Amino acid sequence: AQSVTQLDSQVPVFEEAPVELRCNYSSSVSVYLFWYVQYPNQGLQLLLKYLSGSTLVKGINGFEAEFNKSQTSFHLRKPSVHISDTAEYFCALNSGGYQKVTFGIGTKLQVIP
Amino acid sequence: DVKVTQSSRYLVKRTGEKVFLECVQDMDHENMFWYRQDPGLGLRLIYFSYDVKMKEKGDIPEGYSVSREKKERFSLILESASTNQTSMYLCASSLKGGFGGYTFGSGTRLTVV
Repeated sequence: AQSVTQLDSQVPVFEEAPVELRCNYSSSVSVYLFWYVQYPNQGLQLLLKYLSGSTLVKGINGFEAEFNKSQTSFHLRKPSVHISDTAEYFCALNSGGYQKVTFGIGTKLQVIP
Repeated sequence: DVKVTQSSRYLVKRTGEKVFLECVQDMDHENMFWYRQDPGLGLRLIYFSYDVKMKEKGDIPEGYSVSREKKERFSLILESASTNQTSMYLCASSLKGGFGGYTFGSGTRLTVV
């Protein structure tokens, strides 16, 4: 069985400050990991993905994430957030070649002016 | 611009009605998925399809059915709508294997009264 845990349901942060959204996963086989962003009343958009290779993955809008196998984590980071980054962020996992993806319950990022 | 299109953004239906939610993708993706999204519960998989005319149950299939007569179209059917099916419904598609991640539609917010 595979699972994804997003440790924070809400993260408030001041504009231009750095942010880290935490994600831990559980899987007995190799994994593919994703971060998605959802703006209000919209669908989810792929931010970045880890399939293999370099453990530091860069995505759109200045976000990056680091795959840590020993810690079973895939935390999302941005060095300086903008008001437009206010959204909900979902960590997701695909393991064992299954075509289904398991999603975390989401973290709401609120950027404060 | 490749995309997944859901036929309605907002829908209001009466209890007991049969409801059809349509989803069309133009990326020639093999896989298509229906999720519902509720506050605090994240995304829950209702049904998915790996190919035309095939379907598999997800985590919460009760009260729903699906149809995939053509590769690009995946329909979700609420056989007899109930108030507990009021939710945001998200359609997604992906390439075979799912390694590229999902492409989501904008969602349909369904209210059953």
